[in-house]
Amino acid sequence: EPEVTQTPSHQVTQMGQEVILRCVPISNHLYFYWYRQILGQKVEFLVSFYNNEISEKSEIFDDQFSVERPDGSNFTLKIRSTKLEDSAMYFCASRGPVANTGELFFGEGSRLTVL
Amino acid sequence: AQSVTQLGSHVSVSEGALVLLRCNYSSSVPPYLFWYVQYPNQGLQLLLKYTTGATLVKGINGFEAEFKKSETSFHLTKPSAHMSDAAEYFCAVSEAGRRALTFGSGTRLQVQP
Repeated sequence: EPEVTQTPSHQVTQMGQEVILRCVPISNHLYFYWYRQILGQKVEFLVSFYNNEISEKSEIFDDQFSVERPDGSNFTLKIRSTKLEDSAMYFCASRGPVANTGELFFGEGSRLTVL
Repeated sequence: AQSVTQLGSHVSVSEGALVLLRCNYSSSVPPYLFWYVQYPNQGLQLLLKYTTGATLVKGINGFEAEFKKSETSFHLTKPSAHMSDAAEYFCAVSEAGRRALTFGSGTRLQVQP
């Protein structure tokens, strides 16, 4: 069964460092998302991406964050200068081209720890 | 704007007992509603969804949920809990035409032997 894959599964970084989280969405999907979950808290929407541009973003997704789809398969989230409060589990998700039922398929997440 | 409220951050039931996890939503347009489950150290897996049509929807692992527009609710139920049901459950809403899901704060289900 097709699945969304994310790397790395866990990354530890120093405050102020740049981090890139990578995702390979399901191959025929057209809509891509990043969510984050701070430990013990709710899953929060960061950004959605369609047709090579951001279609929606939340207040959390400030200038420190960026996304791109560099090669038609990978979908990346970059945090330019990490802060302690960026420590969280980051989930990538994708949605297919069929009639919009809104169902997202999630990866298993990348845990980011900022020291 | 859309939002989701899950009543009860923790629910504990005995094995074989009824599971009821509550979810209320607000949406300015007809919603699409979802329940996702998260097992420890894993991603989010879709349990079931409501988009249109029949208001009682059945999902995987014996779970079902009923969309009640008058109550703006989408509670998740399972007649008989199993130890393997212990997990975190998230209700989510998507306004038709919008692409992003909004999640509730989650309910951790414990199943006691």
